Amino acid sequence: GAVVSQHPSRVICKSGTSVKIECRSLDFQATTMFWYRQFPKKSLMLMATSNEGSKATYEQGVEKDKFLINHASLTLSTLTVTSAHPEDSSFYICSAERGGEYEQYFGPGTRLTVT
Amino acid sequence: GDSVTQMEGPVTLSEEAFLTINCTYTATGYPSLFWYVQYPGEGLQLLLKATKADDKGSNKGFEATYRKETTSFHLEKGSVQVSDSAVYFCALSDGSGGSNYKLTFGKGTLLTVNP
Repeated sequence: GAVVSQHPSRVICKSGTSVKIECRSLDFQATTMFWYRQFPKKSLMLMATSNEGSKATYEQGVEKDKFLINHASLTLSTLTVTSAHPEDSSFYICSAERGGEYEQYFGPGTRLTVT
Repeated sequence: GDSVTQMEGPVTLSEEAFLTINCTYTATGYPSLFWYVQYPGEGLQLLLKATKADDKGSNKGFEATYRKETTSFHLEKGSVQVSDSAVYFCALSDGSGGSNYKLTFGKGTLLTVNP
């Protein structure tokens, strides 16, 4: 199989704090990982693409300094939402691509609520 | 740029009814096409895919045919079950950029199947 996990599944944080979300490929090495944001009743919006050992490529309109992405190993990528605000509340989903397969495997998502 | 348009729904059917969810796309190249399913509280799962014109993807009784002439990839199932209740996303990948391909999603269609 190709299993991707995310941790935590839900997190509540106070405005102004930072929160880190982990994305792990459990049984394969992920050359590329993607981070998406999903709004209620809307589609998934790609935030950034990250390759292991290099800087993430952010989509237009996504603030790099606010959404810090680190892809330190072939099985782990992290998204840190810095100085979170209520408008950052959303469902964040990661996916991982197994090398050469041109197919993304999705994690179960993380529900972030900023109070 | 690339885009995907799918019927927004919600779609409500009785068990054993026939399902069609329309999806059309615009793309500059020759994309691969996908249908993903998101069950309540879970992440996205690949349902089926087609990588070239006239290909038919199928899985779990669902089918979709890549129609280049109409730029469509409609999802069909002959007899839906209650367990098919979920959100269905149509998506395309542009197939460019080596292994860093990107997915463009439609807005999703909520399907509810009643017993």
